[in-house]
Amino acid sequence: DTEVTQTPKHLVMGMTNKKSLKCEQHMGHRAMYWYKQKAKKPPELMFVYSYEKLSINESVPSRFSPECPNSSLLNLHLHALQPEDSALYLCASSQDRVGEAFFGQGTRLTVV
Amino acid sequence: AQSVTQLDSQVPVFEEAPVELRCNYSSSVSVYLFWYVQYPNQGLQLLLKYLSGSTLVKGINGFEAEFNKSQTSFHLRKPSVHISDTAEYFCAVTKGGRAQKLVFGQGTRLTINP
Repeated sequence: DTEVTQTPKHLVMGMTNKKSLKCEQHMGHRAMYWYKQKAKKPPELMFVYSYEKLSINESVPSRFSPECPNSSLLNLHLHALQPEDSALYLCASSQDRVGEAFFGQGTRLTVV
Repeated sequence: AQSVTQLDSQVPVFEEAPVELRCNYSSSVSVYLFWYVQYPNQGLQLLLKYLSGSTLVKGINGFEAEFNKSQTSFHLRKPSVHISDTAEYFCAVTKGGRAQKLVFGQGTRLTINP
């Protein structure tokens, strides 16, 4: 199994809502990532977890809250988002020393 | 720090023609290099990677890339493209390690015309 599964595929939320994005992998990878991708732009790193501990936070606003409950799961909790947060949110995982990342299909988030 | 420059934002090509997508990188340490493809409304799929050894690497879907250390380049090539190759292509670099970030180029939009 070489898949990273993200749910939901699409999400529309209001600026006062609270929602969560979920990511799951069963490749035994111990590093997991959240990336944000705006239209016609490359992915931008948001967070990195290594062995279930947050190791990199790229100065992401606190309205985005990551969580890694176990080695296979990664969540991104969303609260009080702004319309400019609308984007494709990609989860990825990696294991070996070269840092090759496997990506999920993404969650298309629209904030209204 | 690492950086990646993709020299062409858009590349239009006729079907069955060859194509080259250019990528240059900058780094003060040894790096690992990747090409990813992104089809519309999808995630990123790894096309190929350079880790060490032979400078010519072959990937999926008939793509190959050549690592040139002296020119700090990692250009992607395909001898004959198909309509289905229409997508966004990203060159990426990492210095390695389990929890290291991938640094992406700005992407090249490959459009195949019939």
